[in-house]
Amino acid sequence: EDQVTQSPEALRLQEGESSSLNCSYTVSGLRGLFWYRQDPGKGPEFLFTLYSAGEEKEKERLKATLTKKESFLHITAPKPEDSATYLCAVQGNTNAGKSTFGDGTTLTVKP
Amino acid sequence: NAGVTQTPKFQVLKTGQSMTLQCAQDMNHNSMYWYRQDPGMGLRLIYYSASEGTTDKGEVPNGYNVSRLNKREFSLRLESAAPSQTSVYFCASERTSGSHEQYFGPGTRLTVT
Repeated sequence: EDQVTQSPEALRLQEGESSSLNCSYTVSGLRGLFWYRQDPGKGPEFLFTLYSAGEEKEKERLKATLTKKESFLHITAPKPEDSATYLCAVQGNTNAGKSTFGDGTTLTVKP
Repeated sequence: NAGVTQTPKFQVLKTGQSMTLQCAQDMNHNSMYWYRQDPGMGLRLIYYSASEGTTDKGEVPNGYNVSRLNKREFSLRLESAAPSQTSVYFCASERTSGSHEQYFGPGTRLTVT
């Protein structure tokens, strides 16, 4: 059974204070690891897909990295508008099409 | 291009009542999904449809039924609502090729009293 654990549950940062969110996963053959952003009262919004260990992707102040057991979402010099819940999900080759989501990390960036 | 749309946005039901949540996508995606999200938790898969005419159970299917009406539409039915089904329901469709990301609707906030 695929499993995803995200930590920490909540993270409070000052504007400009860089940090990382963690996503630990177990999956039988990784088809893809996904990061989503979810604002209060809205549906998740896609950020990145990572496929293999060593892969990195960037978008503005966000950078996602992948190892065989973990993914990190690095936030560089965050701004208040980066405040949201960040969700990690995996799809395994044996459950193609079924994504397993973590519980998310709620990020608050104070000005 | 509206993406994924869901109706209704809010609904209050009494225990035992039935209702259908509607979802439509205009991105020509093959796969569609229904999730529920409870406070402080991630998304749990209820049912999904890999293509028109096919459906399969997810992690928490009990108490729900689905219909993939055509390629665009995927509905979720609660036959006899229970308080445990109070949740936010999200429909999603998945890009068929490339990065396989999912696109989500705005959600339906359901309360069962």
